[in-house]
Amino acid sequence: EAQVTQNPRYLITVTGKKLTVTCSQNMNHEYMSWYRQDPGLGLRQIYYSMNVEVTDKGDVPEGYKVSRKEKRNFPLILESPSPNQTSLYFCASRIYNEQFFGPGTRLTVL
Amino acid sequence: GQQLNQSPQSMFIQEGEDVSMNCTSSSIFNTWLWYKQDPGEGPVLLIALYKAGELTSNGRLTAQFGITRKDSFLNISASIPSDVGIYFCAGQPPSGGGADGLTFGKGTHLIIQP
Repeated sequence: EAQVTQNPRYLITVTGKKLTVTCSQNMNHEYMSWYRQDPGLGLRQIYYSMNVEVTDKGDVPEGYKVSRKEKRNFPLILESPSPNQTSLYFCASRIYNEQFFGPGTRLTVL
Repeated sequence: GQQLNQSPQSMFIQEGEDVSMNCTSSSIFNTWLWYKQDPGEGPVLLIALYKAGELTSNGRLTAQFGITRKDSFLNISASIPSDVGIYFCAGQPPSGGGADGLTFGKGTHLIIQP
């Protein structure tokens, strides 16, 4: 089944403790991206990657890192999480202009 | 950057009613997408539109790409309880620079009263 998977689905952590949210897609898509979703603000793009080893900042990249060493994986890294990064995060992959989302990771930073 | 205005923000309707929502932009888009998000899940693509004036259906859903390329509409006919959720529009700007990503509307919350 064609899909985008994310892990973990839920995570509670404390300020400053580094974490990684994994993302994987099995559709051989070149373009992948990360979004955060917050009430009243909708979906905002954090980082995107147009291909392996090519990443770039989206609209809200501060406090996040990404890497794209393989086509299928695009992990999101929070080196020192802060409470304002509490949010619902979605990974997505895209072909042409059709974007497919993962199931989401709900992150709480205490 | 581009701004997308999606309306209404929320809709309270009776089961069986038809639903209409729309998105407007300050600039043109090459593609319009409509998504539905169920609670606790990621957005799922419902309909993709690629050409000004295009009208596309997916079951009880019909979406149109506005002729000015600055708007799009989604209609749901004869709503049923499983239509409840948040509907998002998204637009793809003409290529040529920047993040080349999608711009999303803030969503329309659809609530259906039995």
